[in-house]
Amino acid sequence: DSGVTQTPKHLITATGQRVTLRCSPRSGDLSVYWYQQSLDQGLQFLIQYYNGEERAKGNILERFSAQQFPDLHSELNLSSLELGDSALYFCASSVAPGSTYEQYFGPGTRLTVT
Amino acid sequence: QQQVKQSPQSLIVQKGGISIINCAYENTAFDYFPWYQQFPGKGPALLIAIRPDVSEKKEGRFTISFNKSAKQFSLHIMDSQPGDSATYFCAAGTLNTGGFKTIFGAGTRLFVKA
Repeated sequence: DSGVTQTPKHLITATGQRVTLRCSPRSGDLSVYWYQQSLDQGLQFLIQYYNGEERAKGNILERFSAQQFPDLHSELNLSSLELGDSALYFCASSVAPGSTYEQYFGPGTRLTVT
Repeated sequence: QQQVKQSPQSLIVQKGGISIINCAYENTAFDYFPWYQQFPGKGPALLIAIRPDVSEKKEGRFTISFNKSAKQFSLHIMDSQPGDSATYFCAAGTLNTGGFKTIFGAGTRLFVKA
């Protein structure tokens, strides 16, 4: 158990809908990362927050947005969902950004868009 | 420039043998090269990592070899065990203006035969 929690574990929704994925980082970790894992795209970095501020952006679609709240939990919002958005979404956390600090991954949320 | 190329896609090794997975990168700004291990239904977990100023790092049965001039790095698993059967991802990371991005390879499915 990494100490990172993600809810829900599974989510099934229809095209065009909007969903919110939630992540609670390990106690003491200020940085949160979101990743998408799909069969065709592999594991892709989406976005990173540190203490409530967006710090780095990867291949995140404009239909997707995220935020980190004062209690340090983070939410990833996915809107106008398409079939291709079906994937595993992982959250990871670390004490701070940078290679000195190991990223701990949560168990993931499996999103299925029908 | 942001890609990390990983090979092979899959690997079958006899118990006690050596498993070797290779990765190559283009962007010389990367300054952190981790390897992650992922079991089915779980999030990736950091296995071992290296910085570009070191040519080799060993932790137990796991060794990273790093060739800066060739922009290549590899994971060696000595005395491979059935419990090592998992998917392995190489990655490359860089810290830039307070944000940390990690780019992952496509993954290698390792199966260790008993």
